Amino acid sequence: DQQVKQNSPSLSVQEGRISILNCDYTNSMFDYFLWYKKYPAEGPTFLISISSIKDKNEDGRFTVFLNKSAKHLSLHIVPSQPGDSAVYFCAASAPTQGGSEKLVFGKGTKLTVNP
Amino acid sequence: DTGVSQDPRHKITKRGQNVTFRCDPISEHNRLYWYRQTLGQGPEFLTYFQNEAQLEKSRLLSDRFSAERPKGSFSTLEIQRTEQGDSAMYLCASSFSDGYGYTFGSGTRLTVV
Repeated sequence: DQQVKQNSPSLSVQEGRISILNCDYTNSMFDYFLWYKKYPAEGPTFLISISSIKDKNEDGRFTVFLNKSAKHLSLHIVPSQPGDSAVYFCAASAPTQGGSEKLVFGKGTKLTVNP
Repeated sequence: DTGVSQDPRHKITKRGQNVTFRCDPISEHNRLYWYRQTLGQGPEFLTYFQNEAQLEKSRLLSDRFSAERPKGSFSTLEIQRTEQGDSAMYLCASSFSDGYGYTFGSGTRLTVV
């Protein structure tokens, strides 16, 4: 079963507009959520994160919103730029016996920002 | 420090052969992770080291897979008797003890023919 779901495989937006990427999760034990960005032939790059005790975290053009009751988070990019075109992965972490912060990833959403 | 390095970047092997990948983490990081990513999927956790100790292993890590991190520095991931289903991108990541937001390498793409 997939614990982290990104239901939109792709998203296309115009430069300067807002991009909204969505993510749903099923495991109520998740206490930390992250967004990663991935370009082809590269590893994922950390973008922004949010703890379950918050409902919003902002970093420049990027804002992540968390709705715990709905088990839903979203990433807003404003304004979108062509360089933002990449695959975006939502990831979640729960405490483990081994003490790792292992991440559970969604399948990703490919964002294309058109000039 | 140039980040997390993985070698080789690409590996093509025949079914049944053994392969070994290497990961050099960021030197200050004491945690090291291996993930696997197949086409159309997000990365999936394989295993985790705290210094030289392997503390967690996924059920995805069958007995054909073995990972080591001698001396708590670089790590190797070996796959014995490769199968076509092993074809994937193998990603290594490292972090400090707080774990979050870790740094990934560029990955090793394995193709089993």
